[in-house]
Amino acid sequence: NAGVTQTPKFQVLKTGQSMTLQCAQDMNHEYMSWYRQDPGMGLRLIHYSVGAGITDQGEVPNGYNVSRSTTEDFPLRLLSAAPSQTSVYFCASSSSGRAAGELFFGEGSRLTVL
Amino acid sequence: SQQGEEDPQALSIQEGENATMNCSYKTSINNLQWYRQNSGRGLVHLILIRSNEREKHSGRLRVTLDTSKKSSSLLITASRAADTASYFCAPIPSNTGKLIFGQGTTLQVKP
Repeated sequence: NAGVTQTPKFQVLKTGQSMTLQCAQDMNHEYMSWYRQDPGMGLRLIHYSVGAGITDQGEVPNGYNVSRSTTEDFPLRLLSAAPSQTSVYFCASSSSGRAAGELFFGEGSRLTVL
Repeated sequence: SQQGEEDPQALSIQEGENATMNCSYKTSINNLQWYRQNSGRGLVHLILIRSNEREKHSGRLRVTLDTSKKSSSLLITASRAADTASYFCAPIPSNTGKLIFGQGTTLQVKP
């Protein structure tokens, strides 16, 4: 099993550009989520999904869109990148629909917005 | 939203010593989890303790939970340089999928 796979690992954008961070898991997990982590900080929840077709907002959803058309994939879209979105983004999944069980994390996607 | 607050924010000890990190939270929980993050990497699950448990062990890790005080502690015994990392607690409410992390405790173990 590959676990949770995030692509790309590194990305540089210009202000105003859009892009999609990809997240895929091969563990048939119901729950998937996106976090961002800024230097010296903890993780902040952006969006999460408790199953295919269901998404909800986390702590910091503004500027980001998500969709969950399949169990395996949970892409994160930046609509119009801003320097404040420079961060490391982590995708995570859990077999528990309400994240009551262990979360498995990807290795992160490092985004710089100029 | 439910969020764990870790204390201390930073901890520096010598190899072989024990490290204790604390976590406080505000509302009732279903369970509480501890995670570890090595620099630049994703978080790794360490241990889960349910709300009806008071103590749990896993190797050199000991976790306690006091639901009356809304607090948990993580003890790492006989620490090693390889334990150097950030540690996060995540209290899990029973009716939401919002798993919120605090800022974590940064542990440095000096050889």
